[in-house]
Amino acid sequence: DTGVSQNPRHKITKRGQNVTFRCDPISEHNRLYWYRQTLGQGPEFLTYFQNEAQLEKSRLLSDRFSAERPKGSFSTLEIQRTEQGDSAMYLCASSLTGTSGGVQLEEQFFGPGTRLTVL
Amino acid sequence: KQEVTQIPAALSVPEGENLVLNCSFTDSAIYNLQWFRQDPGKGLTSLLLIQSSQREQTSGRLNASLDKSSGRSTLYIAASQPGDSATYLCAVMDSSYKLIFGSGTRLLVRP
Repeated sequence: DTGVSQNPRHKITKRGQNVTFRCDPISEHNRLYWYRQTLGQGPEFLTYFQNEAQLEKSRLLSDRFSAERPKGSFSTLEIQRTEQGDSAMYLCASSLTGTSGGVQLEEQFFGPGTRLTVL
Repeated sequence: KQEVTQIPAALSVPEGENLVLNCSFTDSAIYNLQWFRQDPGKGLTSLLLIQSSQREQTSGRLNASLDKSSGRSTLYIAASQPGDSATYLCAVMDSSYKLIFGSGTRLLVRP
């Protein structure tokens, strides 16, 4: 499978615990994005990387959240001291920057997501 | 601040009908617009991407249009099938390459 993969697919944790999610983008994709989606809503942007550099963070990303993308390959999203309000689907996407006939592409491809439940 | 709205929020149609899903956005300075499909509890599947300089894209029974000046896009689904039942999400890409999503349209195609 050459798509975006995410692990674990489901995570149940108790309030106050730390959790870490992993995303493996499509190989050769240099941009990687994290989004969060709650029930009945569209995904909301959290942060994104170009190669290993974290270029933008949403104000939704409190100081309990940290993301890394060492060596510009896979990425991890860690949530410390989880709260019930953190329960959501966490989605990862990747894209390739470039041009085709002078038109920038930037199509984002999403993984299956990690569903987090905080009890 | 860019806001994306999708109408209707839910739609139920009999199999075989042609249907139109609507998406509007408040800031016309977009990089591109993508339509996605999401099945319950699953990730997003990209359906169509329209660059800001384009007016429409087609893939099979799907046709998406973009009117940037009026801040509108439509997704047209021809000859709907029960397998088309899903949530359809519209997203615009801003100048910093992040996607801003609408809340989606939940489509049910009845056999």
